[in-house]
Order: sequence, then C-alpha cells, then structure tokens
Amino acid sequence: KQEVTQIPAALSVPEGENLVLNCSFTDSAIYNLQWFRQDPGKGLTSLLLIQSSQREQTSGRLNASLDKSSGRSTLYIAASQPGDSATYLCAVLKAAGNKLTFGGGTRVLVKP
Amino acid sequence: KAGVTQTPRYLIKTRGQQVTLSCSPISGHRSVSWYQQTPGQGLQFLFEYFSETQRNKGNFPGRFSGRQFSNSRSEMNVSTLELGDSALYLCASSLHPGTSGGQETQYFGPGTRLLVL
Repeated sequence: KQEVTQIPAALSVPEGENLVLNCSFTDSAIYNLQWFRQDPGKGLTSLLLIQSSQREQTSGRLNASLDKSSGRSTLYIAASQPGDSATYLCAVLKAAGNKLTFGGGTRVLVKP
Repeated sequence: KAGVTQTPRYLIKTRGQQVTLSCSPISGHRSVSWYQQTPGQGLQFLFEYFSETQRNKGNFPGRFSGRQFSNSRSEMNVSTLELGDSALYLCASSLHPGTSGGQETQYFGPGTRLLVL
C-alpha cells in the first residue's frame, strides 16, 4: 500500500528566504508525482507534475525534483513571498486508474 | 476554458439524511475522481469514473456512491449521513485515465463543504 509523507507539517520563514518542501513515498512504481497548493477552505491548484521518467520540473520560481529510487521529491520555492503562504500537498499516481495518494501537506507561512 | 465546477459549494444536513453533490469537469475531460478531505484523515480517494464506468473505488462504506453521465458530469451521493461525513468533498478531472506515461495533470474543483449536524 502506497504511503506518502510530508515533513515538516508546518513551516514559517521570513520573506525572501528559499523554501524547501519534502515528500516521501513508499512504493516507487508510480506514474507521476504532482505538487498542489491549497489555500484555506479552497480547492487544490496544480503547481507541477513530474512524470516517472523525469528528474525535475520547473515553473517560474518553483522547481520540483523526483528521485524514484529513494522515494523522494522536493519542491523548491525561490525567494518566498507572503502570497506563497498556503498548504502544499504532494500526491503520487500509481498505475491502473487515476487514484492519487496524498501526503498530509506542509502548511507554509511566509512572514513579511 | 472553464475550470472544474462543483455545486453546491456549501451544504448543511442532519444525521440520517442523504445528499447529492455535483461535479462538472473541464470540457473534453472524461475522467472524474472524487476525494474527501478532513482535518484528521487528510485527502482520501473515494472513486473514479471514466466513460460512465466506475474504474476505481476507495475504502469507503457503501453509503458513498456515484455516477457519471454521458456528458462526463458526475454526481456523488451519500446516504444516511453521519457526523463523520462532515468534510470538504473535492472532484478532479483529467483528459484520460492515468496512462500515457503519466502525463495527465488532474485539475481540482473548489469543493463542496458538507456539514452534518
């Protein structure tokens, strides 16, 4: 059974600092890994998707890496801003079906 | 292109009642998945529909059911509501099932917040 863990559960940084968010998963047989952002009481916004054959993906200030062999992914957010404050969730998609298994999320607060 | 829409956005029900939630996927998307989000359990997969067929089901009791229509819109139903069913219910759509080398991004709607009293 696939298990996804995100540590730490919460993180507070001053504005301008780089953010490093971690995600680990137990079963390396995945199709892809997605990073999402969730604002309080809202739905999920897809940030980055890394296919199983890829090592990293970049979008603006965001960079996500994937190491399937060690079951880890890292989301880097450069030069954090107060608007980056949200909960960040990673999710893995396994073969056969469209079921995402989510981590518990990391709640980020960027202080001005 | 319009995103995933969910109706209603908020619901208050009492124990024992039943509820139906609706999800309209992004135009052209044929796969719709449902998730339950609670503070204690996080995000948990309920079920997935593709071309009107349930392809995958999570570990939820039979009180939770769903269906998909020919236009890909989906509904989920919860019968005999319990207090523990209070949650944010999210649906996600994608173009195809989880194949094609894992290229498919899943897009989530804003959710329906259900409160059971």
